[in-house]
Amino acid sequence: DGGITQSPKYLFRKEGQNVTLSCEQNLNHDAMYWYRQDPGQGLRLIYYSQIVNDFQKGDIAEGYSVSREKKESFPLTVTSAQKNPTAFYLCASNPLWGGELFFGEGSRLTVL
Amino acid sequence: AQTVTQSQPEMSVQEAETVTLSCTYDTSENNYYLFWYKQPPSRQMILVIRQEAYKQQNATENRFSVNFQKAAKSFSLKISDSQLGDTAMYFCAFGSNFGNEKLTFGTGTRLTIIP
Repeated sequence: DGGITQSPKYLFRKEGQNVTLSCEQNLNHDAMYWYRQDPGQGLRLIYYSQIVNDFQKGDIAEGYSVSREKKESFPLTVTSAQKNPTAFYLCASNPLWGGELFFGEGSRLTVL
Repeated sequence: AQTVTQSQPEMSVQEAETVTLSCTYDTSENNYYLFWYKQPPSRQMILVIRQEAYKQQNATENRFSVNFQKAAKSFSLKISDSQLGDTAMYFCAFGSNFGNEKLTFGTGTRLTIIP
């Protein structure tokens, strides 16, 4: 079945540690996105990538980094510079012509 | 930059009743997409309905329909014959028609269907 796989679903991190969230898609979509979801704030865009080896900052990129070495993969690293990393993170993708986003099941990151 | 506003943080309705969720947006573009997404307690985002701005006819998907008012920049979602499984967060989203563009989301409306 085609879809987007995020891992891990739950992740705990100590302050000062970097963590990487995985996102893999087999939909052959060109564009991939990372959103952060906090209560009462909807979804906010962190980074997005339209082609391999290229990506752009979204609205809240500070403290995060990404890579796009393969079309299928778009991992997100939450660095120690992110002041408030506890949140729910959603990965999404869509085809070259745009349109609706297809989402993964999300990853819940908790900083202890 | 586009903005999307959902002015109803929470709503509740009796099962089998009809409910309307509001959404307004701001853009200078003429061609764009609008979406309603549902996020149930599982937190999986599910597309409910989409509307292309160039289409005058309102989109409909079974019990879900929209009232798209382009001039007023309004895009409300109507759920008819509401069911317990409709309990979820609902997000309105705006997408540019220029290709691979990110979506801009509203802050969501938490809808509870009461048995």
